[in-house]
Amino acid sequence: NAGVTQTPKFQVLKTGQSMTLQCAQDMNHNSMYWYRQDPGMGLRLIYYSASEGTTDKGEVPNGYNVSRLNKREFSLRLESAAPSQTSVYFCASALFRGPNNEQFFGPGTRLTVL
Amino acid sequence: GQQLNQSPQSMFIQEGEDVSMNCTSSSIFNTWLWYKQDPGEGPVLLIALYKAGELTSNGRLTAQFGITRKDSFLNISASIPSDVGIYFCAGPHSGAGSYQLTFGKGTKLSVIP
Repeated sequence: NAGVTQTPKFQVLKTGQSMTLQCAQDMNHNSMYWYRQDPGMGLRLIYYSASEGTTDKGEVPNGYNVSRLNKREFSLRLESAAPSQTSVYFCASALFRGPNNEQFFGPGTRLTVL
Repeated sequence: GQQLNQSPQSMFIQEGEDVSMNCTSSSIFNTWLWYKQDPGEGPVLLIALYKAGELTSNGRLTAQFGITRKDSFLNISASIPSDVGIYFCAGPHSGAGSYQLTFGKGTKLSVIP
């Protein structure tokens, strides 16, 4: 089992460019999440998908869109990148059954917007 | 909204020492999760706690779910250099938002060999 995988690992964009961050999980989890991590700010939720076919905004959704392509895959799109979106992006997944809220994280994508 | 306060923010310890850190909230949590993040990596789940008063161990790590349900503690015994990293506590939002986790800002641990 690979767990949660993310591509690419690193990316440099110019202001105004667009890109899609890919995430896939092979644990048959129901819920998937996108976070960004900035120094001193901890992990902040951008969007999540509680189950296949649904997506919801998190704490910092502006400037992002998501697609839950199927149960395995959840992508994050930056339509017009801005320097403020320079960050490390993490995808996570969770089975979410009963009291079990345990989320499992991918290795991250390090994005720099110039 | 719910907030988790972690302390200390950072700590430097000598290899072999025991470490203690905690996480507090003004709200009640039904679950406490502890994660570790190595430099350049994603957070890894260390311990999950589901019951007030619960004490759970994972190797040299021990975590406790506080009786008031507003706090949790993580102890590391006999620290080694690979314990270096950032330790996060997390707990689910209440009610319909329980798909989401609230994360503390982390305790950064440095181990001096």
